[in-house]
Amino acid sequence: GQQVQQSPASLVLQEGENAELQCNFSTSLNSMQWFYQRPGGSLVSLFYNPSGTKHSGRLTSTTVIKERRSSLHISSSQTTDSGTYLCALDSSGSWQLIFGSGTQLTVMP
Amino acid sequence: DPKIIQKPKYLVAVTGSEKILICEQYLGHNAMYWYRQSAKKPLEFMFSYSYQKLMDNQTASSRFQPQSSKKNHLDLQITALKPDDSATYFCATGQGRDERLFFGHGTKLSVL
Repeated sequence: GQQVQQSPASLVLQEGENAELQCNFSTSLNSMQWFYQRPGGSLVSLFYNPSGTKHSGRLTSTTVIKERRSSLHISSSQTTDSGTYLCALDSSGSWQLIFGSGTQLTVMP
Repeated sequence: DPKIIQKPKYLVAVTGSEKILICEQYLGHNAMYWYRQSAKKPLEFMFSYSYQKLMDNQTASSRFQPQSSKKNHLDLQITALKPDDSATYFCATGQGRDERLFFGHGTKLSVL
């Protein structure tokens, strides 16, 4: 089965609303990364978060290894937040990231 | 001013031909990677290199050959192209295993 599962698959918000994106994994975790993929396709690194909680502006990432999950919280969403959010797992001892299928976020004005 | 340069941005090829995708990075990173994103599929790992040495390879086909002529280069040669090879190919870099990854803008390959 899929090692990294993201939910929801898509999400539509009104500007100003908050969003909670989830990433669950079934394999051992060395670290978790979150990326934002622009509508044009390029990827932007948001967080490198092996465990615990990290903040960056309106974004918060929380990884709980024991519960095999990571989340990305977006507060006070803006239309420019629209795009696809990807989580990627780095499992122990490997040189590769395993990506989830992404959450497609649309923020309406 | 992009620090990871992928060339070309778009590429159209005919079935059976050979193409080389270029990746150069100016972040001073030791590790370089190739990932592929096909339509409606998650990003998929292909290769990882550290100090110009292959560390991991998840590509079954030998038609895909990475080439590292310089420390900050990792090109991808694809031979005998097939329509199923159509995808966006991303180069990525990092300081090493278990480190944050940075991605280039990708090369979108279409095989007719």
